[in-house]
Amino acid sequence: GESVGLHLPTLSVQEGDNSIINCAYSNSASDYFIWYKQESGKGPQFIIDIRSNMDKRQGQRVTVLLNKTVKHLSLQIAATQPGDSAVYFCAETKAAGNKLTFGGGTRVLVKP
Amino acid sequence: GAVVSQHPSRVICKSGTSVKIECRSLDFQATTMFWYRQFPKKSLMLMATSNEGSKATYEQGVEKDKFLINHASLTLSTLTVTSAHPEDSSFYICSASRETYNEQFFGPGTRLTVL
Repeated sequence: GESVGLHLPTLSVQEGDNSIINCAYSNSASDYFIWYKQESGKGPQFIIDIRSNMDKRQGQRVTVLLNKTVKHLSLQIAATQPGDSAVYFCAETKAAGNKLTFGGGTRVLVKP
Repeated sequence: GAVVSQHPSRVICKSGTSVKIECRSLDFQATTMFWYRQFPKKSLMLMATSNEGSKATYEQGVEKDKFLINHASLTLSTLTVTSAHPEDSSFYICSASRETYNEQFFGPGTRLTVL
């Protein structure tokens, strides 16, 4: 079936540097995408979302980019901090229904 | 706002017993709740979708007689793992969404260990 996938399972980044997490999706019918952060032993925490009629959306220290042509989604974290260490998941859904399909996850390790 | 709680946070049970996990939306009415299962270092896998007052819709491969879901009110859904076995040990996470919104608000998860 169609799925959402990630290129890198683990990303090590120096504190203060920018992080980029990538995600490839294959369901061209998806029109709503979300990034979640999950810390160990906790549930996913919403970070930022984007709809398919946009190609970029910014939040506080985070930016999500959507390239529908190549079905690619990325999350950029500016000035990565130790508290950003976690597993990050992308997820996709259609507007008509809200069943989410999660990607495989990327672990971000922030080195002091 | 939009807080979802789960109870218990951790449970250890003997093989063959049944375990009930509660998912509550604390400050909003959730017409739809979702149950996910997550194995260590893996992604979340949707088990079922439940709408208040109706039967849950299970994903392919999920045994509905094994994982009983009840969504009796707009703020409470329960997942009962019946006759649990060690392979049912996992992290179970629920989420809730308001009607017409896509955003799901996730609970903190329940760690189930079956001995």
